[in-house]
Amino acid sequence: DTGVSQDPRHKITKRGQNVTFRCDPISEHNRLYWYRQTLGQGPEFLTYFQNEAQLEKSRLLSDRFSAERPKGSFSTLEIQRTEQGDSAMYLCASSNSWLAGNTYEQYFGPGTRLTVT
Amino acid sequence: AQTVTQSQPEMSVQEAETVTLSCTYDTSESDYYLFWYKQPPSRQMILVIRQEAYKQQNATENRFSVNFQKAAKSFSLKISDSQLGDAAMYFCAYRIHTGNQFYFGTGTSLTVIP
Repeated sequence: DTGVSQDPRHKITKRGQNVTFRCDPISEHNRLYWYRQTLGQGPEFLTYFQNEAQLEKSRLLSDRFSAERPKGSFSTLEIQRTEQGDSAMYLCASSNSWLAGNTYEQYFGPGTRLTVT
Repeated sequence: AQTVTQSQPEMSVQEAETVTLSCTYDTSESDYYLFWYKQPPSRQMILVIRQEAYKQQNATENRFSVNFQKAAKSFSLKISDSQLGDAAMYFCAYRIHTGNQFYFGTGTSLTVIP
């Protein structure tokens, strides 16, 4: 168990460019979540996958944002036509819904810090 | 709507002393879970402690314990014998039993003074 990993850790891009982030969850975890965290705030939910199915999306996830989890393992989050307001830490988390009595606690990755200039 | 409020943006504690971080939440649900997460500077969030709402007994994990007051919708975290490694941002989080997303508070930045 190597934990949740995210790549890249930091990304600087110019306004209008597209960016893609990757998240590798803990291997046996079937649920994967994306959050956005801005300075001085707690993480805000963006979207959630169970296996390869995207089951829930926040209103924060505008049509410039798209997330995929094609084989139910790693996930990507793409932001098209980035804006300065997209600057934030993007966190990925995973959990396992199969364990009896599990509270579905989420295990977080280190995050990808996006800076849009 | 579910909201989580942490009214203390910053707290400090002397090493080896005890500190309590406050959290209140608003919900109409009766079955839910509460969590405290720790986020050290430039490091990932890790779970400190969790509490199931149906349990009356307060959760404890070594030096960390909670005071869960369901009627008051309060969920405070007590850190005993504070250590330098406890310095971090602490987030209170809530999830309903049948839901998937976590709702986080704005965090409390804890400084431990040697």
